[in-house]
Amino acid sequence: NAGVTQTPKFQVLKTGQSMTLQCAQDMNHEYMSWYRQDPGMGLRLIHYSVGAGITDQGEVPNGYNVSRSTTEDFPLRLLSAAPSQTSVYFCASSYSIRGSDYGYTFGSGTRLTVV
Amino acid sequence: GQQLNQSPQSMFIQEGEDVSMNCTSSSIFNTWLWYKQEPGEGPVLLIALYKAGELTSNGRLTAQFGITRKDSFLNISASIPSDVGIYFCAGYNAGGTSYGKLTFGQGTILTVHP
Repeated sequence: NAGVTQTPKFQVLKTGQSMTLQCAQDMNHEYMSWYRQDPGMGLRLIHYSVGAGITDQGEVPNGYNVSRSTTEDFPLRLLSAAPSQTSVYFCASSYSIRGSDYGYTFGSGTRLTVV
Repeated sequence: GQQLNQSPQSMFIQEGEDVSMNCTSSSIFNTWLWYKQEPGEGPVLLIALYKAGELTSNGRLTAQFGITRKDSFLNISASIPSDVGIYFCAGYNAGGTSYGKLTFGQGTILTVHP
C-alpha cells in the first residue's frame, strides 16, 4: 500500500496564479483532511471531508477550495495564490470503528512558495 | 478555536536521558494522539489514547491521557540519537461531522547529543 500520496512535492507560484494540490489514499479511509504547517505554529486544519460528496471548513479555510468526488481523492485548490499561503501542506486520512477514529495517516507534504 | 499548549518548545539532552513533554487544552478531548515529524516528512503516529486515564506504551515511549481530558503526557526513556525530531500532540472529539479534525500543539523540538 502506498498510504497517502501527495503531489507535487515542491511548487513555486507567482502571486495570483492558481493550482491544485493532489492527495490520494489507497486505504479506503472515510475521512480526509488538509493541514498547513507554518514555523512555530504546528499544523492547522484547512478543510476536511467525512465522505465522498461531503466537505467542511477547518480553522483556516480562506483562499482554499476542496471537493471530494471519490473516496480516494481529496484535492486542494488555491484559486489566486498569495504570499501568505507559502507553507507546507499535508493531507491526512483516517477511518472510524464504533465511534473512534483510527489509522490517522499523513502524506509527506507539498512545499509551496508563493512569490 | 481550541488551543493546545505544548511544552517545552525545545529540549537538548544527552543520549541515555529520559524525556518528558506535555500538552494542555482549554477544553476537553476524547482522543489524544502523539506524532513525531522528521525533516522533510509528514508526521508519523506514535501513540493514540482513547480513554481518560489511559496509559499506553510503544517501545521506549509511554503516553498518558489525563483524567481531566484536558491534558496528555509523553515520556521517552533512554533516549537515542534517532529520537531527534519534532514531537506533536493532537486532540480531537470523534463523532458526527468531527471525524478527521485534529487540533495540534505547537510541537517540541528534541535534540539528542551522542
